[in-house]
Amino acid sequence: EAQVTQNPRYLITVTGKKLTVTCSQNMNHEYMSWYRQDPGLGLRQIYYSMNVEVTDKGDVPEGYKVSRKEKRNFPLILESPSPNQTSLYFCASSFLPRTAYYGYTFGSGTRLTVV
Amino acid sequence: DQQVKQNSPSLSVQEGRISILNCDYTNSMFDYFLWYKKYPAEGPTFLISISSIKDKNEDGRFTVFLNKSAKHLSLHIVPSQPGDSAVYFCAASTSYDKVIFGPGTSLSVIP
Repeated sequence: EAQVTQNPRYLITVTGKKLTVTCSQNMNHEYMSWYRQDPGLGLRQIYYSMNVEVTDKGDVPEGYKVSRKEKRNFPLILESPSPNQTSLYFCASSFLPRTAYYGYTFGSGTRLTVV
Repeated sequence: DQQVKQNSPSLSVQEGRISILNCDYTNSMFDYFLWYKKYPAEGPTFLISISSIKDKNEDGRFTVFLNKSAKHLSLHIVPSQPGDSAVYFCAASTSYDKVIFGPGTSLSVIP
């Protein structure tokens, strides 16, 4: 089954404790992206990647890191999480070039709480 | 400053009637517009898109209308079904690598 898999689904952590949210897709998509969803703000892009070793900042990259060492994986790293990073996170992927026209495939989401 | 706006946080419609979800945008450079549907505890799923060179696109019960002069698009669902109850996100793109989402509208279809 074609899908984007995120882990974990739920995570509660403490301020400053490094964490990684994994994302993997099995569709051979070139494009991958991370979004966060907050009430009243919709989905905001954190980072995206056009292909292996090619990443760039989205609209809200502060406090996050990413890497794209393999085509299928795009982990999101929070080096020192803070409470304002409490959010619902989604990983998405698509084929290039017409990402916008064909749409993304999203993962099921990771609910992160930083206390 | 939100470039994609959905001014109605929620909408209730009777089963069998038409649902109309609205979306406004500010950037005239957007060239593709999309609608996504999201159920609780799931990721958004792509529903329908429209290019800026068109003013209408249909897919079954779903039709998207684009009015470029007004910078407005709408999603029509006819007839509405209880399974359509979800959050709908409007999105827009200026290139093939960046999609900007609106805040979403929660649709409830009442049986």
